[in-house]
Amino acid sequence: AQSVTQLGSHVSVSEGALVLLRCNYSSSVPPYLFWYVQYPNQGLQLLLKYTSAATLVKGINGFEAEFKKSETSFHLTKPSAHMSDAAEYFCAVSVPVTNAGKSTFGDGTTLTVKP
Amino acid sequence: KAGVTQTPRYLIKTRGQQVTLSCSPISGHRSVSWYQQTPGQGLQFLFEYFSETQRNKGNFPGRFSGRQFSNSRSEMNVSTLELGDSALYLCASSLAALANYGYTFGSGTRLTVV
Repeated sequence: AQSVTQLGSHVSVSEGALVLLRCNYSSSVPPYLFWYVQYPNQGLQLLLKYTSAATLVKGINGFEAEFKKSETSFHLTKPSAHMSDAAEYFCAVSVPVTNAGKSTFGDGTTLTVKP
Repeated sequence: KAGVTQTPRYLIKTRGQQVTLSCSPISGHRSVSWYQQTPGQGLQFLFEYFSETQRNKGNFPGRFSGRQFSNSRSEMNVSTLELGDSALYLCASSLAALANYGYTFGSGTRLTVV
C-alpha cells in the first residue's frame, strides 16, 4: 500500500520569502505524485504532477517540485511567496494500474503568508 | 469549459435519514471519484467509477454507496446517517482510467448531520 507524509501541518513565511512544503511517500512500485491546493470553501486544484518523466516538475502559479527517489521525497517549492498563496496544500500518491482512480492524500499543510 | 459540478453545496440532515449527492464531471471525463474530507481524518477515498463500473472502493461501511450513469454523472448515497458522517464530500473527475492524470475537483457538498 502507498502512503504520504507531509512534514509540518502549518508553515508560515513572509511575503517574498521561499516557500518549502515537505512531502515524503512510501510505495512498493514507482508512484505517481501530485500536489494540490485548496482554498477555503473550495475543492482541490491540481498544482503539478510527477509521472516518471522529468524529476523536476513545474506547475501553475510558480510552484515546482522535485522527485528524489533516493530520499522518497517530493517537496514543493516556490521562490517568492505571494499573499494569494495562503491556502492548504496536499501531497498525494497514486499507484499505476492496480489502484487506478484512487489517490492517497497526506494530511495537508496550511501555508500562511505574512505581509 | 464547465468544471466539475456538485449539488447541493450545503445540506443539513437528521440522524437516521438518507442523503443523495450529485456530481457532474467535466465533459469527456469518464472517471469519477468520491472523497470524504473531515478535520480529523483528512481526505478519505470512498469509491471510483469508470464507465458505469465501480473499480475501486475505500474502507467505508455499506451505508455509503454510489453509482454512475451513462453520461458519466455520478451520485453517492448515504443511508441511516450518523453524526460522524458530517463532512465535506468531494467529487473528482479524470480524463482517463489511468492513475497518472490527476483530478479535477468540484467545490464539494458540505453535509451536516444533526
